[in-house]
Amino acid sequence: GEDVEQSLFLSVREGDSSVINCTYTDSSSTYLYWYKQEPGAGLQLLTYIFSNMDMKQDQRLTVLLNKKDKHLSLRIADTQTGDSAIYFCAEKKGAGTASKLTFGTGTRLQVTL
Amino acid sequence: KAGVTQTPRYLIKTRGQQVTLSCSPISGHRSVSWYQQTPGQGLQFLFEYFSETQRNKGNFPGRFSGRQFSNSRSEMNVSTLELGDSALYLCASSLWGPGGELFDTEAFFGQGTRLTVV
Repeated sequence: GEDVEQSLFLSVREGDSSVINCTYTDSSSTYLYWYKQEPGAGLQLLTYIFSNMDMKQDQRLTVLLNKKDKHLSLRIADTQTGDSAIYFCAEKKGAGTASKLTFGTGTRLQVTL
Repeated sequence: KAGVTQTPRYLIKTRGQQVTLSCSPISGHRSVSWYQQTPGQGLQFLFEYFSETQRNKGNFPGRFSGRQFSNSRSEMNVSTLELGDSALYLCASSLWGPGGELFDTEAFFGQGTRLTVV
């Protein structure tokens, strides 16, 4: 289908790991992204992964990519209250200047004490 | 380096009016994309401009239009506003190589313009 799917809500305790999942649509997508949106703010790029990679680690963030299942996940280690936000996965369809980002529905992460 | 600047931040319009939103990309960035964010539809791609030319367009009616100036600043216009146009409009800028090829994959987003149609 056309939709990039994510679960709507995730609640974790501070200090635990968070795992946010995403199923994307286009196996030819070149880049896959994770964005964070805090209340009243725009989108902040957290990390991205090129489609020929399986994993990418960046400090507390780990991205796993399963191309066969078109599944992307974002793991946040030692989740903090400042991580509370909406997280969007996005895929880049097309190539060069004709490409566009298709976003998932967003997962609201709530971090509790 | 200044980020992506969108003006105004907030806007209230009545049905039937038209509105123009502005986006100034990061200096040196030549690609500007626009997105509409609503609770019901999520983030949807409107259009992308590169070197004053529209390169890609989403599935929005003709009431939604845009343009890009020689300094890469972009405007989007919505005519004959409807209640359903109430949304957060986000713009993103990217750096593109001289041949139009992707040079830097990262899209930097502005804080958005929140449009309320009453």
